Parts: sequence; structure tokens; C-alpha cells
Amino acid sequence: SQKIEQNSEALNIQEGKTATLTCNYTNYSPAYLQWYRQDPGRGPVFLLLIRENEKEKRKERLKVTFDTTLKQSLFHITASQPADSATYLCALPMEYGNKLVFGAGTILRVKS
Amino acid sequence: SAVISQKPSRDICQRGTSLTIQCQVDSQVTMMFWYRQQPGQSLTLIATANQGSEATYESGFVIDKFPISRPNLTFSTLTVSNMSPEDSSIYLCSFRVVDEQYFGPGTRLTVT
Repeated sequence: SQKIEQNSEALNIQEGKTATLTCNYTNYSPAYLQWYRQDPGRGPVFLLLIRENEKEKRKERLKVTFDTTLKQSLFHITASQPADSATYLCALPMEYGNKLVFGAGTILRVKS
Repeated sequence: SAVISQKPSRDICQRGTSLTIQCQVDSQVTMMFWYRQQPGQSLTLIATANQGSEATYESGFVIDKFPISRPNLTFSTLTVSNMSPEDSSIYLCSFRVVDEQYFGPGTRLTVT
């Protein structure tokens, strides 16, 4: 089955810097990969989807890359703000069917 | 975007009892998903619920423990039966629109 690895250690950065989060996966190559944001006490919120034929996707201050050779996605937040502090999850579809498998998430803390 | 709500938002229950969690969506959706998120861990899919058919359970989850109802296209319930402290977790319902997945706010369950 698919295994997803995200940095288990929290990422602490200074306001204004770029935050980079990593998602690595094993086994089969997914058709797409998604990133979600989760705040304490709330359900995850969809941020971005990138397909296997896309190298990079941007949305405002967010940028996602997808390297199917390395089996890795990078999630960047530029000009980070304290409001960006949250847990960020990556998710992939299961090999069969359209159900999602989630990574454990990385906590991001942006300090002013 | 569609709004998804859950009741109760939290509960403290005694072992051996059962709790039914309700999930309401403000638009009709074909498939609804139930996830569990244990402290500090990833989301784990419990089952997929289609209206008019029995839910499909993932490995490690069984209908007797987690019966699900899906009486119409906007509503679903998940029951956690014969609870033990190991069932303490956040339970989230979810649905999908194309490739984006939307989550309810979650039900935080503590079993004593």
C-alpha cells in the first residue's frame, strides 16, 4: 500500500521567509497529489492539487512542485505570515478507486 | 462551496456505550467518507458511504463496530459502538467534488 512521509518535526520560520514542506511517497505513482491545511480543532481544508504531468502549480503565495522521479512533492509558502501557522497535510489517491491517503502532516509555525 | 456540519462537536463517553455522529451537507453528494484522526496522527479512512447501499469499510474497520447510515444524499451517520479508550479520536466526515475533498469540523470523542 502507499506510504506517505512528511517531516514529523515542526518547522519554525521567521515571518517573511519562505516555508518549504516536503512530502515523499513510496510504491505506485499517483495521478495527482493534494495539499491541505488543518488548524487545531478543525477539519482539513483543500489548498492545491497538482497532476503527474505538471511540474509546478501556483496559487497566490503558494507553490507546489511534483517530481515523479524522486517521488516527492514540495510545498512552498512565500512571504510567510503568522496566520500561515497550521498543520499541512499531503494526500494521494489510493492505487485503486478514488479514496485519499493522507500523510501525518507537518506543523508550521511562523514567528513575527 | 458546500457547507458540511457535524454533531456533536465533542463528547465524553463511558466505555461500553455507543455514540452516533451526524454529518449534514448543504448540497447533494454521491459519496461520503468517514475518517478517524488519532492525536498527532494522520487521517485514516474508516469507510465510504453511498446512498442506498451498504458502506464499504477499509481494512481494520468492521460494520459491527462502526455502523454507518446514508439515508439520503445530504446526510450520514457514523456510530462508534461498544466504545473503549482506544476509540478516543477525532472523527471527520467528508465528501468530494471532482478532485477536491471537503471535511466537516470533526467530532472529538473521549472514552473514559
